[in-house]
Amino acid sequence: GAVVSQHPSWVICKSGTSVKIECRSLDFQATTMFWYRQFPKQSLMLMATSNEGSKATYEQGVEKDKFLINHASLTLSTLTVTSAHPEDSSFYICSARALVDRIPGLAGALYNEQFFGPGTRLTVL
Amino acid sequence: EDQVTQSPEALRLQEGESSSLNCSYTVSGLRGLFWYRQDPGKGPEFLFTLYSAGEEKEKERLKATLTKKESFLHITAPKPEDSATYLCAVQAHRSISGGYNKLIFGAGTRLAVHP
Repeated sequence: GAVVSQHPSWVICKSGTSVKIECRSLDFQATTMFWYRQFPKQSLMLMATSNEGSKATYEQGVEKDKFLINHASLTLSTLTVTSAHPEDSSFYICSARALVDRIPGLAGALYNEQFFGPGTRLTVL
Repeated sequence: EDQVTQSPEALRLQEGESSSLNCSYTVSGLRGLFWYRQDPGKGPEFLFTLYSAGEEKEKERLKATLTKKESFLHITAPKPEDSATYLCAVQAHRSISGGYNKLIFGAGTRLAVHP
């Protein structure tokens, strides 16, 4: 239980193009999904929090017009990096927080835990 | 300001050599402390959640403990497959826009276990 997938796992694009990354909770419903970015040998930095059906909440310093987040359902959130530039190259990771107080197959799990996807490596040329 | 500090930054162990990783935190009302394992190029894998001082949780060779100021991740008789970066994160009680659910991560401890 508690599987989160991301697609694509890696993407290379030209400067100025837009890239969409999908995050799905495969075996549970997620009230909230989170988007992080991680630079080499650094920890995760939260970019934004997204609740299904409402606007995302962005962390200070994160441009909401550049990083568009859509949380269309309880199992899907997307991050679109618009007009990507080389400085946007990074490892983007999503996480999902469960709706229910138990996740099937994960003994003792409570709703509070965040479960992470495998990440998407974005390289902007 | 909420902060998480992990030490050491990197740790090299021989197989079977037990040790502990430290996570010190300052937070205005701890809701939960989380440990994750991250392998290179992958997302973090959930290990434990601790909610109150004195709580302990175990999973295979790992044991996590919590006090009011810090948490330890004890690794007993580690194996090479335990090599990874271990991340600690805290979550505060207060409800600020997005803050209620927000995890604040430490920089991690890179563990290398050699045969």
